[in-house]
Amino acid sequence: QVQLQESGPGLVKPSETLSLTCGISGYFITSGFQWGWIRQPPGKGLEWIGHISRSGVTDYSASLKSRLIMSVDTSKNQFSLNLTKVTATDTAIYYCVGGGGSGYHYWGRGTLVTVSS
Amino acid sequence: DIQMSQSPSSLSASVGDRVTITCRASQSMSTYLNWYQQKPGKAPKLLIYAASTLQSGVPSRFSGRGSGTDFTLTISALQPEDFASYFCQQSYSVPYSFGQGTKLDLK
Repeated sequence: QVQLQESGPGLVKPSETLSLTCGISGYFITSGFQWGWIRQPPGKGLEWIGHISRSGVTDYSASLKSRLIMSVDTSKNQFSLNLTKVTATDTAIYYCVGGGGSGYHYWGRGTLVTVSS
Repeated sequence: DIQMSQSPSSLSASVGDRVTITCRASQSMSTYLNWYQQKPGKAPKLLIYAASTLQSGVPSRFSGRGSGTDFTLTISALQPEDFASYFCQQSYSVPYSFGQGTKLDLK
């Protein structure tokens, strides 16, 4: 059974960097899939942030690309998101996901990140 | 970028009703269309991928149709556990955009 689990701070100050990690269990990150992030501001819809392949090839949302870095750590079977220079508009529930062209079959439970001083 | 337009944004129905949600893409994308269900406080769950393929474990009362730009999700006979929000998503080209969502509630 594949499980994803987000970890990282729940509160980030404006202009600082939001860093999240997604640990994968039940599946080797190098076996396939694209591993990505989706966010959802409280009470609103879903926004695709981007994804990274097992080989490290990335696709990012154009609106976030200048502030975004995703990476894979195969030794720890996890992948990460770093979003720099955050503002209040980055406040959201962040979900890590696994899948790709046939949809995201696997989702973490989500972690609320609030941007506030 | 492909824009996804989902309708209606909200829908009230009763147990046993048949309901249909529509998703329209701004350009043709074959059958690269996925549907998710989200219950309050939970992560979305993949229901249907490739426009019409039911994810394992999803009840057969859910069905998806369409290709090109127009897609539908139909629930043939609503059950109490189906009252939730539903989102479409295209996975034809990045960014893999979502529809705005449909909130299905009890009439």
